[in-house]
Amino acid sequence: AQKITQTQPGMFVQEKEAVTLDCTYDTSDPSYGLFWYKQPSSGEMIFLIYQGSYDQQNATEGRYSLNFQKARKSANLVISASQLGDSAMYFCAMREENYGGSQGNLIFGKGTKLSVKP
Amino acid sequence: DSGVTQTPKHLITATGQRVTLRCSPRSGDLSVYWYQQSLDQGLQFLIQYYNGEERAKGNILERFSAQQFPDLHSELNLSSLELGDSALYFCASSGSQGASGANVLTFGAGSRLTVL
Repeated sequence: AQKITQTQPGMFVQEKEAVTLDCTYDTSDPSYGLFWYKQPSSGEMIFLIYQGSYDQQNATEGRYSLNFQKARKSANLVISASQLGDSAMYFCAMREENYGGSQGNLIFGKGTKLSVKP
Repeated sequence: DSGVTQTPKHLITATGQRVTLRCSPRSGDLSVYWYQQSLDQGLQFLIQYYNGEERAKGNILERFSAQQFPDLHSELNLSSLELGDSALYFCASSGSQGASGANVLTFGAGSRLTVL
């Protein structure tokens, strides 16, 4: 079973509008972390935002916010006021703190390709 | 610039050959991770080193091996290459062994391997 599911292979958004990229996860580990990375066409992986499983508030970083719904096991990324430079692949990832069997390894979803239209 | 340096950026080789990919972690980071990104498999964790010792193994083939040297740079060796090994290989580094919390993995720009 997939541990990280991103159901939207591709998304379009109009410049200056907000967009939500979906991510659901599957774990029985009570302690875990959720990450979002951006991969532009140039290929590098850029860290955007982090949410810990025990964090009470949703994480925010500038125009990025994470809509964390623990009971639903979802960690959607919200990008406000989209810009042309936001066009990229976006990956959701999870680190299992106790059951991961590894030291800090991230498990990635398949990604969502976001295209921002002018 | 993320601070993680990977060389070479691009590599084209033939089936059956062997290549070595190199990674210098961000200054101060002791953990190095290798990932493979292909169109069909997505981002797959291969292996992790911490301060010169192997810490975790993922979906790494027996034809592949890695090591981390005393100066903390790491090399990923890929041998008996097959067409299916064509992929983008990422190195990432982080600051601690048992990375937890918001200990973020910082990725290099990747090495794109093409096997013909």
